[in-house]
Amino acid sequence: GQNIDQPTEMTATEGAIVQINCTYQTSGFNGLFWYQQHAGEAPTFLSYNVLDGLEEKGRFSSFLSRSKGYSYLLLKELQMKDSASYLCAVLEGPSGGYNKLIFGAGTRLAVHP
Amino acid sequence: EAGVAQSPRYKIIEKRQSVAFWCNPISGHATLYWYQQILGQGPKLLIQFQNNGVVDDSQLPKDRFSAERLKGVDSTLKIQPAKLEDSAVYLCASSPDANYGYTFGSGTRLTVV
Repeated sequence: GQNIDQPTEMTATEGAIVQINCTYQTSGFNGLFWYQQHAGEAPTFLSYNVLDGLEEKGRFSSFLSRSKGYSYLLLKELQMKDSASYLCAVLEGPSGGYNKLIFGAGTRLAVHP
Repeated sequence: EAGVAQSPRYKIIEKRQSVAFWCNPISGHATLYWYQQILGQGPKLLIQFQNNGVVDDSQLPKDRFSAERLKGVDSTLKIQPAKLEDSAVYLCASSPDANYGYTFGSGTRLTVV
């Protein structure tokens, strides 16, 4: 089974930095994804971590600690357009089977002027 | 490359009616997924296809939901009969294989009244 936890809502100010945390418990861990989802739209890929450490991509960075079952998404220089839901998703694979992507409930981020 | 196409974009039906959704994945993507996303929640995996075979349908309510992927390309998801709690966005996603690179379609927003 799997359990993925992330905060329900966060608020931040334009230009600031925000960190969205995600903890997970799962069997057959094969990687962790972060997706961004604007209201009424499909999720879009932000980042993928399979090894411990930090992956940086422009204003967005994602960190993974497999031993702690923990990840975070760091958003720098926040812009109003960053207001969206951020979904933490774990790629889970049973032994000998196919991987599947399991999502958390998402964190709704509101960026204020 | 063209993205994942889904239709219809919106659908309103009465409870106990039937409905079908269509998905055309990215060309060459072997793996196709249907997710259900209830308002305020993360996407929940309903069924996963590898080519035209089902590899995971453990979360599909089989008494009312069915899905097929003919010739390993397009897929349809059907609900018969619909219940009020089926109101959600139905997202289709595809990937080259089950390990990474999920691309989502825009989804079908279903309202059951």
